[in-house]
Amino acid sequence: DAGVIQSPRHEVTEMGQEVTLRCKPISGHNSLFWYRQTMMRGLELLIYFNNNVPIDDSGMPEDRFSAKMPNASFSTLKIQPSEPRDSAVYFCASSWTSGGVDNEQFFGPGTRLTVL
Amino acid sequence: AQKITQTQPGMFVQEKEAVTLDCTYDTSDQSYGLFWYKQPSSGEMIFLIYQGSYDEQNATEGRYSLNFQKARKSANLVISASQLGDSAMYFCAMRGVTSGTYKYIFGTGTRLKVLA
Repeated sequence: DAGVIQSPRHEVTEMGQEVTLRCKPISGHNSLFWYRQTMMRGLELLIYFNNNVPIDDSGMPEDRFSAKMPNASFSTLKIQPSEPRDSAVYFCASSWTSGGVDNEQFFGPGTRLTVL
Repeated sequence: AQKITQTQPGMFVQEKEAVTLDCTYDTSDQSYGLFWYKQPSSGEMIFLIYQGSYDEQNATEGRYSLNFQKARKSANLVISASQLGDSAMYFCAMRGVTSGTYKYIFGTGTRLKVLA
């Protein structure tokens, strides 16, 4: 398996622009997670989906952020409009979750976002 | 509220020695899961080891073991026979439940440097 795939790997944009980050989870996994990592705030869970349904979006910082998972093999995280404080590494992770059984999350390589 | 605390921002260990990375957690859940991840300088997140709250035996995975002390709410990672390639950031994480929804939180991490 190719693992979790994220694109782009690097994104540089100007304040006010729309940014879309993409993620393809590992085939067969039913849970997908979006994280943001910064030096100041560490690793924060933004949102996670189970069976394509958003379960917990309490970590989404504000309305400028939105996430979708139209099918089991694709998810997007959109920031509109972007601001310099959104600069961070955004990770997507996937796992198999079932009936209270914990499984490790497999992380993608991350997207390094820089908002000028 | 659930919380993960890693009190050691940085640690040094001599090659071939063992090292313990501390992690304490706070939760009122009866069922929860504890994870350790490694993040090398290249940035990817790598799963190391998992401990379930009901597991009576401490988890082990090769050179990694988890010293789980439930009453003290600690889940320390022990790396035996340290190698230069173990130099990385290490994150403790917890899966808990709040209002019927799984919650995932990460600690702030410990940066480990293995000395030759």
